[in-house]
Amino acid sequence: QVQLQESGPGLMKPSQTLSLTCTVSGGSIRSSSSYWSWIRLAAGKRLEWIGRVFASGSATYNPSFKSRVSISTDTSKNHFSLKLSSVTAADTAIYYCARHVADDAFDIWGQGTVVTVSS
Amino acid sequence: DIQVTQSPSSLSASAGDRVTITCRASQNINRYLHWYQLKPGKAPRLLIYAVSSLQSGVPSRFNGSGSGTDFTLTISSLQPEDFGSYYCQQSYSIPSFGQGTNLEIK
Repeated sequence: QVQLQESGPGLMKPSQTLSLTCTVSGGSIRSSSSYWSWIRLAAGKRLEWIGRVFASGSATYNPSFKSRVSISTDTSKNHFSLKLSSVTAADTAIYYCARHVADDAFDIWGQGTVVTVSS
Repeated sequence: DIQVTQSPSSLSASAGDRVTITCRASQNINRYLHWYQLKPGKAPRLLIYAVSSLQSGVPSRFNGSGSGTDFTLTISSLQPEDFGSYYCQQSYSIPSFGQGTNLEIK
């Protein structure tokens, strides 16, 4: 059974670049039909989809994040990563990684990792 | 972008109650509507996909319905373990979520 686990720094300062990794276990990130997404939940806000990557490395992003975001895969380590530049307090949130197939639902999620941006 | 409006934002109910949460999309999203349960410190859980399909392992008291722009999640007989937050999500275009419903068990 596929499981996902997020990892990364819990505390960051404004203007830094956030780097998170999602390790896939119990299955291969190379799965021909799977997409791998990042989603976040800030206090008092709704869940927000950040972007997704296919095993090939092809990525699609939420325009709300403009050019700040990059999602990539490392098939040798069976993980995918999120980079979000120029963070501010508004980027404080729980960050989740999740799997889905094409336009289907997010069927597998990680437990989430808390990221706090504070000076 | 497709906007998703969910109601109510919070709900308090007793064990055994029937609970209904609604979700409205700003345009027709066919069957690209899904429901999730979130609990603190746990991985979010997919409950219902494609409007009405029950995800494997989810109790049959969870039921989804609707079409086009209006959708409903019903819990037929609320159990104590059903506390948490519930979100609808559309995948017709760039994925977006409803505002969430915080469900408290009395």
